[in-house]
Amino acid sequence: ETGVTQTPRHLVMGMTNKKSLKCEQHLGHNAMYWYKQSAKKPLELMFVYSLEERVENNSVPSRFSPECPNSSHLFLHLHTLQPEDSALYLCASSQVARGHGYTFGSGTRLTVV
Amino acid sequence: SQQGEEDPQALSIQEGENATMNCSYKTSINNLQWYRQNSGRGLVHLILIRSNEREKHSGRLRVTLDTSKKSSSLLITASRAADTASYFCATELNAGNMLTFGGGTRLMVKP
Repeated sequence: ETGVTQTPRHLVMGMTNKKSLKCEQHLGHNAMYWYKQSAKKPLELMFVYSLEERVENNSVPSRFSPECPNSSHLFLHLHTLQPEDSALYLCASSQVARGHGYTFGSGTRLTVV
Repeated sequence: SQQGEEDPQALSIQEGENATMNCSYKTSINNLQWYRQNSGRGLVHLILIRSNEREKHSGRLRVTLDTSKKSSSLLITASRAADTASYFCATELNAGNMLTFGGGTRLMVKP
């Protein structure tokens, strides 16, 4: 257990479904991140929240909608996804400017059918 | 665009041998970090080296940074089968900025 918990671990959803991914950290960090990891591609930064404000969305399609209600919780709301959105979605947290690196969760393996 | 690129993409060695992975990047950085990922799991932070540092050690890990060449290397000495994983470098451009990851090196250590 890294201190960053992601649920669910696995998710299969149809293209018309709406689902949410959840991330929770109890490390006292002040920034949280969503990354997408697809096969044979580098990790892609999707969203950054620093001090609960979104500071980067990196041109992610609107079918992905993040929510950060407080510094410990981060959600990724999914709707009308495409099969190419199937990937491992990783959440991470960090203490900005502390220089200690990111702490990652174990990820949610998403399959869109 | 991809900031860090690892070389080689895949590496297979025998247990006990040393493994060296390289990372090149394009722009000036605040720090460079190495992470490890076991198959299908999250990334684990291994070591961070700042732009004003040239070498850093942590257990069997040794990281070097050459800012003039915009490159870094990760050396794992006396490798073990349990070191089998993917290794990623990541660069932080400014303090407080987000990390950009490379494509990773897949390391296999055969018992």
